[in-house]
Amino acid sequence: KAGVTQTPRYLIKTRGQQVTLSCSPISGHRSVSWYQQTPGQGLQFLFEYFSETQRNKGNFPGRFSGRQFSNSRSEMNVSTLELGDSALYLCASSLSGEAFFGQGTRLTVV
Amino acid sequence: GEDVEQSLFLSVREGDSSVINCTYTDSSSTYLYWYKQEPGAGLQLLTYIFSNMDMKQDQRLTVLLNKKDKHLSLRIADTQTGDSAIYFCAEGGYNFNKFYFGSGTKLNVKP
Repeated sequence: KAGVTQTPRYLIKTRGQQVTLSCSPISGHRSVSWYQQTPGQGLQFLFEYFSETQRNKGNFPGRFSGRQFSNSRSEMNVSTLELGDSALYLCASSLSGEAFFGQGTRLTVV
Repeated sequence: GEDVEQSLFLSVREGDSSVINCTYTDSSSTYLYWYKQEPGAGLQLLTYIFSNMDMKQDQRLTVLLNKKDKHLSLRIADTQTGDSAIYFCAEGGYNFNKFYFGSGTKLNVKP
């Protein structure tokens, strides 16, 4: 079966812009979570959605937001981009226990 | 707290066994995971262990869990050059897709 699909794979944005990243989970998985990976901070939890509701949230500023649609696809949005937002953004989908990650979106803010 | 710690580097020779260690602090964790990340790629789920288990074996991989010491290890038997990657341990609950990751251990396999 198809894995977790993230689009786009690579993105370059300018400071102050906003960006939307997309994640399509494995069919049947209703939980989608997002992580930010940077060399300095490692993998940090952003938020988790389940059945279109945000169930958990990490310690990120309000510029980071997300949503989940009725087909379980999820988007995350970052507004007013800062240089420090440059990172690999990973999403994971889960049914119970096991969580499978997508290939990530590499965001570069210049 | 949800502090997960791993050593940063491990170097082994091809054919040897690799043991990657991890300590965690959250005793309420339900699952403990090992993920592999190759350059430029996402995270690949290798294996996981439920918190009421002591050991799990899956082909070349053996996971040992010492719940008293909050210590998790991943043993890779007959390590190959293709095993060179960064290995992350993570702890998480059952119903929530929210994991706390270690900093990752970079495994270098020398031919």
